[in-house]
Amino acid sequence: KAGVTQTPRYLIKTRGQQVTLSCSPISGHRSVSWYQQTPGQGLQFLFEYFSETQRNKGNFPGRFSGRQFSNSRSEMNVSTLELGDSALYLCASSLRQSNEQFFGPGTRLTVL
Amino acid sequence: AQSVTQPDIHITVSEGASLELRCNYSYGATPYLFWYVQSPGQGLQLLLKYFSGDTLVQGIKGFEAEFKRSQSSFNLRKPSVHWSDAAEYFCAVVHSNYGGSQGNLIFGKGTKLSVKP
Repeated sequence: KAGVTQTPRYLIKTRGQQVTLSCSPISGHRSVSWYQQTPGQGLQFLFEYFSETQRNKGNFPGRFSGRQFSNSRSEMNVSTLELGDSALYLCASSLRQSNEQFFGPGTRLTVL
Repeated sequence: AQSVTQPDIHITVSEGASLELRCNYSYGATPYLFWYVQSPGQGLQLLLKYFSGDTLVQGIKGFEAEFKRSQSSFNLRKPSVHWSDAAEYFCAVVHSNYGGSQGNLIFGKGTKLSVKP
């Protein structure tokens, strides 16, 4: 069974731009969560989607948003990029009733 | 608020030596605990998890962890470290608003493991 895939793997943007990251969960998994990983703050929860609905949200500004499609694929969007948004963005998928989250390889975003 | 503390930022051990990585959690109810490993440039791989039952949990790659409620700890151990174990290790607890097993993960800051030949 294929794992969680994230595209693109690497991205370079400039301040003020916006970016969209994509995540395809493991087949059959209906829940997708997003995390931001930085050297200073570590791993922080962004949001979780299940059945196309945001079920849980971390403490991030409104510039961070996401959505989930009917096939469970998810996208996250960051608008008006800031230097501090440079990070590894990790997507994880899970079966709804299981809290075992399977992580993708991440998208490395660099904001210049 | 729920939190996870990994006191050791960086640990170096010799190949073949035993390993123990420390993890302390702060949680009001029965915690759901995890250990993940991250190799450079990679995502997180689940090593083991504790939901309930036997407090000694076996995981992949020869790792085990012991849940000690009295000490609020969930330390990761391996009897003999291999060079391929060099990576960063994260302890995590579920943050649940409903007292159940579902919710987002709260991670510790991680412990980087280096292995000397």
